Amino acid sequence: AQSVAQPEDQVNVAEGNPLTVKCTYSVSGNPYLFWYVQYPNRGLQFLLKYITGDNLVKGSYGFEAEFNKSQTSFHLKKPSALVSDSALYFCAVRDADSNYQLIWGAGTKLIIKP
Amino acid sequence: EAQVTQNPRYLITVTGKKLTVTCSQNMNHEYMSWYRQDPGLGLRQIYYSMNVEVTDKGDVPEGYKVSRKEKRNFPLILESPSPNQTSLYFCASSASSGSYNEQFFGPGTRLTVL
Repeated sequence: AQSVAQPEDQVNVAEGNPLTVKCTYSVSGNPYLFWYVQYPNRGLQFLLKYITGDNLVKGSYGFEAEFNKSQTSFHLKKPSALVSDSALYFCAVRDADSNYQLIWGAGTKLIIKP
Repeated sequence: EAQVTQNPRYLITVTGKKLTVTCSQNMNHEYMSWYRQDPGLGLRQIYYSMNVEVTDKGDVPEGYKVSRKEKRNFPLILESPSPNQTSLYFCASSASSGSYNEQFFGPGTRLTVL
């Protein structure tokens, strides 16, 4: 069965330090992977996606993610965290052979401390 | 401005009183979807629509109805709301049903059923 795991409920990072939000997945076919961010009292916003090609994907607000097929992971990263990056982050996967529906992780709360 | 709108943004109601949450997108998107977000559970899909007059059940459709009579609108209907439907609801749309398209989200509707 398809699934997505975000193993950390919360990640705390000091401002200016690099950040990583982890995501692992399980699909039967080729994965399409997505990261979304939810700021307080807002809807989700698309950050980046991996469909095919280069394993390092760059997205909005300076975020990037690395697709690792052998480890079935798609971790979200940023070299230098900002306080404004504090939000809830969701990883999602879609099996290329599925009926197009996304499978969502439970979300990781990212807290950036000044 | 390209957007997904939802109304109302906040709603408090009582058990059994029928309600409708409207969703509209102005991007001519084929695909639309409804999710509910509950703490620790991430997003769970309620219903989705691949195009006009085509709707399908998601993971948690019980107690909900939808319709897609025109491309831009995808209302969510709760015929007889119950307290376990208290949640944060999001409507989303994407350009097509293709696996690689990101979804655009509305601002959310916070529903409380007493």
